[in-house]
Amino acid sequence: EAQVTQNPRYLITVTGKKLTVTCSQNMNHEYMSWYRQDPGLGLRQIYYSMNVEVTDKGDVPEGYKVSRKEKRNFPLILESPSPNQTSLYFCASIGGGVNTEAFFGQGTRLTVV
Amino acid sequence: LAKTTQPISMDSYEGQEVNITCSHNNIATNDYITWYQQFPSQGPRFIIQGYKTKVTNEVASLFIPADRKSSTLSLPRVSLSDTAVYYCLVGERGLPGFPIPTFGRGTSLIVHP
Repeated sequence: EAQVTQNPRYLITVTGKKLTVTCSQNMNHEYMSWYRQDPGLGLRQIYYSMNVEVTDKGDVPEGYKVSRKEKRNFPLILESPSPNQTSLYFCASIGGGVNTEAFFGQGTRLTVV
Repeated sequence: LAKTTQPISMDSYEGQEVNITCSHNNIATNDYITWYQQFPSQGPRFIIQGYKTKVTNEVASLFIPADRKSSTLSLPRVSLSDTAVYYCLVGERGLPGFPIPTFGRGTSLIVHP
């Protein structure tokens, strides 16, 4: 079954404590992306990756890092989380070629206190 | 990536047909129009994609006029479970570097009993 798996689903952490949200896909897609969703603001893109070792900033990259060492994994790293990064995060994997549908993970609800 | 404009919210009642229109005046020749649906606390999921005229699947229809400067997502006989946010995206597909989707705020559809 085609899927994108994010972990953890829920996380409460304290300001400044580094954390990583993992994302893995089993569709061999080249393209992956991270979004955050806040009330009234829709989905905003944080970072995206066109392929292994190729990443680029989206609309709201400040305070985040990503890596793409292998095709299936695209972790989101918060080196020093702050309360304004409290949000719902989604990872997506996007098919290339004629199949450009985006598949989303279940979401990670992060609270930074 | 062509900019899109869609209503922020819409209300309907069970059993009615709902039409959500998206404007994309700067759509390029190679751009496709894609719609996603998002339920609360879930990632968006692909509904339908089209290039011109009409596309229909088991969930919805997509109407695209000849000038392609707008498109209309049509949901027949909506039910309470169609309450969701609907996103209109425009972008080129089938080529390397297909734009990673940027979602914006979408249209929040509320279906009333």
